[in-house]
Amino acid sequence: GNSVTQMEGPVTLSEEAFLTINCTYTATGYPSLFWYVQYPGEGLQLLLKATKADDKGSNKGFEATYRKETTSFHLEKGSVQVSDSAVYFCALTPFNDYKLSFGAGTTVTVRA
Amino acid sequence: GAGVSQTPSNKVTEKGKYVELRCDPISGHTALYWYRQSLGQGPEFLIYFQGTGAADDSGLPNDRFFAVRPEGSVSTLKIQRTERGDSAVYLCASSLGSANTGELFFGEGSRLTVL
Repeated sequence: GNSVTQMEGPVTLSEEAFLTINCTYTATGYPSLFWYVQYPGEGLQLLLKATKADDKGSNKGFEATYRKETTSFHLEKGSVQVSDSAVYFCALTPFNDYKLSFGAGTTVTVRA
Repeated sequence: GAGVSQTPSNKVTEKGKYVELRCDPISGHTALYWYRQSLGQGPEFLIYFQGTGAADDSGLPNDRFFAVRPEGSVSTLKIQRTERGDSAVYLCASSLGSANTGELFFGEGSRLTVL
């Protein structure tokens, strides 16, 4: 079946530090890959996505590259801010499907 | 409102009671989804509507769970004879198309606690 495994948290960083959250997946065919973010008191929202191998998704200074050879979609940001404190979820949908399969989420706290 | 609205935001009930959770999607979004998120886990798919019909209800855990969307807009998730294991945050999302091609917009969720 389809599944997503992401780095366990919580992760605590200082402002301007480099952030990486690892995500690997299992899926048949060519899934689309997503990172969703949940800020405190808000609903899940799409952060970035990639729909085919070697695509790079980017938004708000975050990046993730679809690596088919390693079945990975790691999230990175070069310099985090306090406002990046949130729970981050890696997710996939199989090709031509609509069901999102989520990882367990990684809680990130950025200290000033 | 501009976003997906879910009510109630919190619901505490006793084991065996009936519960309804409501979702008001973004206007014009034809696709609507329900997910369930247990503590420390990611959301899990329950059911998908395209318009008024349930296109896929394969994620509903058993026949105590049922959802409707009679006019293709507001949806209600209904849980009969609640059990303690039903305690979770129930998330609703809507989109213009399928999740594969488009963005899902999530509500803040309804937190259900079954005592």
